[in-house]
Amino acid sequence: QITLKESGPTLVKPTQTLTLTCTFSGFSLSTSGVGVGWIRQPPGKAPEWLALIYWNDDKRYSPSLRSRLTITKDTSKNQVVLTMTNMDPVDTATYYCGHSKRNWFDPWGQGTLVTVSS
Amino acid sequence: EIVLTQSPGTLSLSPGERATLSCRASQSVSSSYLAWYQQKPGQAPRLLISDASNRATGIPDRFSGSGSGTDFTLTISRLEPEDFAVYYCQQYGSSPLTFGGGTKVEIK
Repeated sequence: QITLKESGPTLVKPTQTLTLTCTFSGFSLSTSGVGVGWIRQPPGKAPEWLALIYWNDDKRYSPSLRSRLTITKDTSKNQVVLTMTNMDPVDTATYYCGHSKRNWFDPWGQGTLVTVSS
Repeated sequence: EIVLTQSPGTLSLSPGERATLSCRASQSVSSSYLAWYQQKPGQAPRLLISDASNRATGIPDRFSGSGSGTDFTLTISRLEPEDFAVYYCQQYGSSPLTFGGGTKVEIK
């Protein structure tokens, strides 16, 4: 059974850097074809894909946020970390990580709500 | 970037009725690389369909997907009480991955 869980701060101040960790079980990020992605969803809005890292350390980013995002993996710890710099109130959202084999996401973690406010 | 437009925004139906949800892409989705998700309040999205028509593990056969190119459809043959939720499409044929704006299926 594949499970993922996001962790990180629930409140960040504008201009700060957000660091989120996705801890997963039930699969290995060293297995060919496997990836982990990050998706966010502002309250009442549709999901927005942010980044994806693959088993071979290939990384993909949303072009609109690329300059602010970094995704890394620690295969030995079964973790994927997303950092987002220069946080703004418009970045307030629930942030999800998801297991990916062919760029769809199944399953997703439970999500973590991040509020950006001074 | 491929923009996905879902319609209608809200679908008001009764249990037992058929639901037809549309997802239209601004350009052709490569190899029908389109997925559908269901999201209930307070929960993460759940994968229903991948590759436009392949049901995910454990998804009831009342859910079916069809389409190709720029027009895709999710059909729920007979709505069960637990099917009232928001549905999103996502294309993964080209980067960036994009989601539609969602269709809410509500009880009439």
